[in-house]
Amino acid sequence: AQKITQTQPGMFVQEKEAVTLDCTYDTSDPSYGLFWYKQPSSGEMIFLIYQGSYDQQNATEGRYSLNFQKARKSANLVISASQLGDSAMYFCAITTSGTYKYIFGTGTRLKVLA
Amino acid sequence: EAQVTQNPRYLITVTGKKLTVTCSQNMNHEYMSWYRQDPGLGLRQIYYSMNVEVTDKGDVPEGYKVSRKEKRNFPLILESPSPNQTSLYFCASGLTGGANVLTFGAGSRLTVL
Repeated sequence: AQKITQTQPGMFVQEKEAVTLDCTYDTSDPSYGLFWYKQPSSGEMIFLIYQGSYDQQNATEGRYSLNFQKARKSANLVISASQLGDSAMYFCAITTSGTYKYIFGTGTRLKVLA
Repeated sequence: EAQVTQNPRYLITVTGKKLTVTCSQNMNHEYMSWYRQDPGLGLRQIYYSMNVEVTDKGDVPEGYKVSRKEKRNFPLILESPSPNQTSLYFCASGLTGGANVLTFGAGSRLTVL
């Protein structure tokens, strides 16, 4: 069975600084995808970034990058140059080709300080 | 506009009164799924569907039913709601192949008294 672990319930970062949100995963399926979603205080879920298990390079999307370390089973989200609008809950998720389950972690609440 | 629509957005009901939360998507997605979000527990998958007439249990299916008679609709049914089903519910859809990026509905906040 797949599992996602996010060990940081809450984090603070100063505006314009970079921050790393941790995510470790567990799966026995060699083919899987890792995702990060953002949930602002308004409640909607917003897709940020995707990393496939066979992708050779770390994914990047604007100020978001995914630090993918396959051997360590980690998929940390790096947000560069934090903005006040980055204050939100962030969820890491995994899905595998073997099942169609889509498993989320418990989330990390990020607060950006002015 | 590509979207997932859930209704109702807010509902207060009483124990045992059957209710249905509807979910509809206009993106021709094969994959649809229901989640509940509770503080400290993140999003937990209730049921998912890979296509019409194909559904499977997620991690917390007890007390819920689903059906997928049409590609665009995936209703969540609570036959006999109980207070422990008070939660924020999300419906989501995506493509089954490749990077299955989910598009979420706005959420339905359910309170069972």
